Amino acid sequence: DAGVIQSPRHEVTEMGQEVTLRCKPISGHNSLFWYRQTMMRGLELLIYFNNNVPIDDSGMPEDRFSAKMPNASFSTLKIQPSEPRDSAVYFCASSPGLAGEYNEQFFGPGTRLTVL
Amino acid sequence: AQKITQTQPGMFVQEKEAVTLDCTYDTSDPSYGLFWYKQPSSGEMIFLIYQGSYDQQNATEGRYSLNFQKARKSANLVISASQLGDSAMYFCAMRVRTNAGKSTFGDGTTLTVKP
Repeated sequence: DAGVIQSPRHEVTEMGQEVTLRCKPISGHNSLFWYRQTMMRGLELLIYFNNNVPIDDSGMPEDRFSAKMPNASFSTLKIQPSEPRDSAVYFCASSPGLAGEYNEQFFGPGTRLTVL
Repeated sequence: AQKITQTQPGMFVQEKEAVTLDCTYDTSDPSYGLFWYKQPSSGEMIFLIYQGSYDQQNATEGRYSLNFQKARKSANLVISASQLGDSAMYFCAMRVRTNAGKSTFGDGTTLTVKP
């Protein structure tokens, strides 16, 4: 298995531009998580899906952030418009099993976003 | 709400010695899972070990073991025979049965192994 795939690996954009981060979870995994990691705030859970359904988006910082999971093999995290404070590493992770089960999360390599 | 506390921002250990990384947690849910992840300087997050709240024995995975003390709500990671490649950031995390398995991570501990 290729593991969790994220693209792009690096993104540099200007303030105000739309940014779309992509994630392909491990085939067969039922849960998908989006995290943001910064030096100041550590690792923050933004949103997670179970069986393609968003379960908890309370970590999404504001309306500029949105996430979708149209099918079991693809998810996007969109920031529109982007701001310099959105600069961070964004991780996607997937996990096997059903909601509430305690399976480890498999992380993608992350997308390093820089907003100028 | 769930909370993970890692009180050691940084730790040093001599190569080949054992080291314990602390983790305490807080949840009102009686059913939960505890995890440790390693993040080397390259940035990827690597799963190390898992402990379930109802597990009777402490989890072990090779050189990693989890010292689970349920009454004290602690889940410390023990790394035996430290290697230079163990130098990394280590995160403690928890998933609970309520809220459909929401995960919470601690702030991490940076471990440096000295030769």
